[in-house]
Amino acid sequence: GENVEQHPSTLSVQEGDSAVIKCTYSDSASNYFPWYKQELGKGPQLIIDIRSNVGEKKDQRIAVTLNKTAKHFSLHITETQPEDSAVYFCAASPPSGGSYIPTFGRGTSLIVHP
Amino acid sequence: KAGVTQTPRYLIKTRGQQVTLSCSPISGHRSVSWYQQTPGQGLQFLFEYFSETQRNKGNFPGRFSGRQFSNSRSEMNVSTLELGDSALYLCASSVLPGAYQETQYFGPGTRLLVL
Repeated sequence: GENVEQHPSTLSVQEGDSAVIKCTYSDSASNYFPWYKQELGKGPQLIIDIRSNVGEKKDQRIAVTLNKTAKHFSLHITETQPEDSAVYFCAASPPSGGSYIPTFGRGTSLIVHP
Repeated sequence: KAGVTQTPRYLIKTRGQQVTLSCSPISGHRSVSWYQQTPGQGLQFLFEYFSETQRNKGNFPGRFSGRQFSNSRSEMNVSTLELGDSALYLCASSVLPGAYQETQYFGPGTRLLVL
């Protein structure tokens, strides 16, 4: 099955700095890569996603890049703000007869210091 | 539009008991997926329902089961509870099944503690 590694597990930055979180996946057939933000006491919220036919996607301060050859994808947050502090999860899912069974990374706790 | 709601939010049970958790998806969403989140194993997929049919199941024992009703509401049941079942159980809904790679909207979760 799919295996997703996520690094770092904790990331501490100053407000205004950039933050980068990286994930690698094992199944070359994976074609959908969502990123989720989970705040304390809440469920994960999709913040951005990318499909395997695209190399990069940007939404305001958030961007995701995908390198299919190396089987890794990254989340980039620019101009970080204290409200960006949360746990971020990446996920990957290979197509399987119309199924969607996502495998998640272990999460990155992002702390943005004012 | 109301978000995904899960009840109860917190639950304490003892080993050997069974538990039923409920999820009401966003209005118009017909797909419901369940996930287990623990510090040790992270976020793991349990199962997915669409139009009252289970489409996919994760790697969990048969003690974990679920169902979906005609109004798209879903329940999951865990029988013969074990200490390791203590976790945050999350429900997510989308209009179509996950295979269509649509955005899944998560509820706040039910935190289950097994003593």
